[in-house]
Formats: sequence, structure tokens, C-alpha cells
Amino acid sequence: AQSVTQPDIHITVSEGASLELRCNYSYGATPYLFWYVQSPGQGLQLLLKYFSGDTLVQGIKGFEAEFKRSQSSFNLRKPSVHWSDAAEYFCAVGAIELKTSYDKVIFGPGTSLSVIP
Amino acid sequence: DGGITQSPKYLFRKEGQNVTLSCEQNLNHDAMYWYRQDPGQGLRLIYYSQIVNDFQKGDIAEGYSVSREKKESFPLTVTSAQKNPTAFYLCASSRRQGWDEQFFGPGTRLTVL
Repeated sequence: AQSVTQPDIHITVSEGASLELRCNYSYGATPYLFWYVQSPGQGLQLLLKYFSGDTLVQGIKGFEAEFKRSQSSFNLRKPSVHWSDAAEYFCAVGAIELKTSYDKVIFGPGTSLSVIP
Repeated sequence: DGGITQSPKYLFRKEGQNVTLSCEQNLNHDAMYWYRQDPGQGLRLIYYSQIVNDFQKGDIAEGYSVSREKKESFPLTVTSAQKNPTAFYLCASSRRQGWDEQFFGPGTRLTVL
């Protein structure tokens, strides 16, 4: 089955520390992968996406993610976290609805990030 | 500025009542989506529309209905048949249906009293 897992429900880091949020996917073909961020009470905003090519993808707000096919992972990283990065982060994979052949996006459960000043 | 608007931001409803959530976009996107968000469950797709006058059920369509009479509008009705309607509802759009970047509205929090 096509799925996305984010092993960490909640992570706390100190401001200025590095960050890595984990994402694992289950999908047979080469996946389309996304990271979205959601500030409290708001909608989601795309941070970055991977479709093909270079496996290290740069996004907005200083984030990057690396696609590792052998590990079925697409972890999000930031070298130095700012207090404004506190939010919910969602990994997502492009998948195909088997019944209708509809291309859909499956979202993971999210990781909540807290930043200590 | 282009974007997606959802109204109202907060909505309270009595059990047994239908309620309609508004979603409008001025991005000229063909595809629109409705998601439901519950704590710890990520986003679950309720309905999607690829083009005007066409829409399809998502993973959790029971108890919901939609219409797509105009390209820019995709209202969602939460009916009394929805057994657990209290949730945060997000509307999104994309240039075309599929794996394009989705742009999200700010959401509507529905509480059933």
C-alpha cells in the first residue's frame, strides 16, 4: 500500500541547533515527494519537492531534503533553526489511486516542532 | 494578491444541522480539493474537482457533499449524516489535478455542539 510515515510525533530543538525531520514512504515506482509546513491555525505551505534529478533538494526558508531510494526516505534538514520555524511539518508522496487511476497526494501524520529560545 | 480564501474561520453547529464551508480561489487553478485534518492523522481527502461541473469522492466522502459551478469556487457541505464532523477543514487548489504543488487556504474549524 502507498503510505507515508513520520516516526517523530514531536521534536524539540534549541534555537540555532540543527534539525532533521524523518520521513519514510512506501511506493513502488519513483516517487514524487513533498514537504509542507503548517503554522498554528493556518493552511499548509510547500517547502520543497522532489520529482527527479539531484537527490538533494533545496527549498524555501533555508530547508533542504535528501531523497534516498535505498532507504525509502526523504528527510528534511535545516542547519540552524530559528524560533519562527516552530510549526507542524508534513511529508507527502504522490501516489495513484488504484480504483480510479487518479493521481493523488498522500500526507504523513505530521511532526510538530517546538523551538526553545 | 492571488490566493485561496476560506470562510468562516470558526463555525459552530448544532447536531443535526447541515453547514456549508466556503472556498474561493483567484489563482485560475483547474483543480480544487477539500481535506479534513484531525490531530495526529495528517490530512485526509474528502472530495476533489479537476474541472468545473465535475468532482470525485476522496477517501472519506461519506456525510459530505460539494459543488463546482464556477472555476473559482468549491463549497463543502457537512451534512447531518457525518457522524463526527468536528475537525479542521482545509481547502486547496493546484494548477492541474495530480502531483502539482497544492496551495492551501487558512482553514475553517468546525465544532459541533
